[in-house]
This record gives sequence, structure tokens and C-alpha cells, in this order.
Amino acid sequence: AQKITQTQPGMFVQEKEAVTLDCTYDTSDPSYGLFWYKQPSSGEMIFLIYQGSYDQQNATEGRYSLNFQKARKSANLVISASQLGDSAMYFCAMREGITGGGNKLTFGTGTQLKVEL
Amino acid sequence: DTGVSQNPRHKITKRGQNVTFRCDPISEHNRLYWYRQTLGQGPEFLTYFQNEAQLEKSRLLSDRFSAERPKGSFSTLEIQRTEQGDSAMYLCASSSLIYEQYFGPGTRLTVT
Repeated sequence: AQKITQTQPGMFVQEKEAVTLDCTYDTSDPSYGLFWYKQPSSGEMIFLIYQGSYDQQNATEGRYSLNFQKARKSANLVISASQLGDSAMYFCAMREGITGGGNKLTFGTGTQLKVEL
Repeated sequence: DTGVSQNPRHKITKRGQNVTFRCDPISEHNRLYWYRQTLGQGPEFLTYFQNEAQLEKSRLLSDRFSAERPKGSFSTLEIQRTEQGDSAMYLCASSSLIYEQYFGPGTRLTVT
């Protein structure tokens, strides 16, 4: 079963508009972390934002915010005021557990975002 | 810049040859991870080191793959008798906390 599901293979947004990238996850572990990474065409994975399963508030980092709905097992990324440089592939990822070797990330299939003028 | 570095950035090899990739993590990070990413997919976990100890290996890591991290510093990933299916981007990441993994630029392997 897919642990991370990203249902939007591609998204378009106009410059300066906000966009939401969807991510749902599946885990039975009560302790987990959710991440979003950006991958430009150069290939490097750039960390954007993190949300812990016990965090009470939604994470925010500059123009990025994570809409965490625990009961629905969703962790959508919201990018406000889109810029041309935001055009990239975006991956949602999950880490299960908080101790020992359980630090590996499980990634979704990604969403290709294109910001248009 | 003291981020994660990987060498080489690109490698083209013929089927059956051995290849070795190197990853230099962020210096204060004691955890190091290898992932593989094929076209159109997200990265898939291969293996994980804490200091010099290899603590977890994915079933994706066949007998032809071996990874080392001598002295808990840089790491190498070797693929023996390469196959066309090994063509992928190999990503290395490091972390010192349980939260964030910082990735290197990757090594793109093409097996002809």
C-alpha cells in the first residue's frame, strides 16, 4: 500500500497567486514526521518544511505553510505569492518513528509545479 | 558552502562494469543515507549509517550493492556488475537530528 500519495502529477499557478499541493499519508505509527522537499531540474532535493505528528500548530516557513489535518491524514503544502523560481517538482515524505534507525524517508511520486506569468 | 557533496555528478558505464560513488556529508552530521531515484518517481531508501555503523538496508539493495562509511565520515556506494536497471539518480543525505535530512546534488548513473 502506498504510504505517501500525491494525486496531482502536475499543477499550474499564476505568478503571485497561492497554490496548494496535496499529500495524504498512511501509517499506524503514532509518532511520525512529514516533510516537503523541492527538486528543481538540477536534481538537488531542497528541504522546505517539517511537521511532527504531535505538533499542535501547522508549520510555517516563509512563503511555505503545511496544512496538517491529522484525522484526515493529510499534509498539504501551501505556497503563497508564487514566484517563477518556484517551478519545480515537489515531494511529500514521511518518517515513521522517532528513535533508532527509523529515520528513513518514504517519498510520494511528486507534483510538478509550473508557475506562469 | 559546506553542504553535502557527491562525486561524480554523472557516470556513464557499460553493463557489467563496477562503479563507485562517493558522498561527503555535512561535517557535524553523524547520520548518512543513500537513496535511489528513477525517472518520474520519488527517491527510494537504500541504506542508512549512524557514524560508521550501517544500521538499515533496504531490500532494494541487492548483493551487487555495497556501501561503506569508514571512520564515520564520507561514504561510498559501489555497484558491481552493473545492469541497465541500475540507471538512476543516486542521492546521498545527511542529518544530525531526527528531523531534517539535507541532500546532496546526486550522482546520475547511466548504464549502456
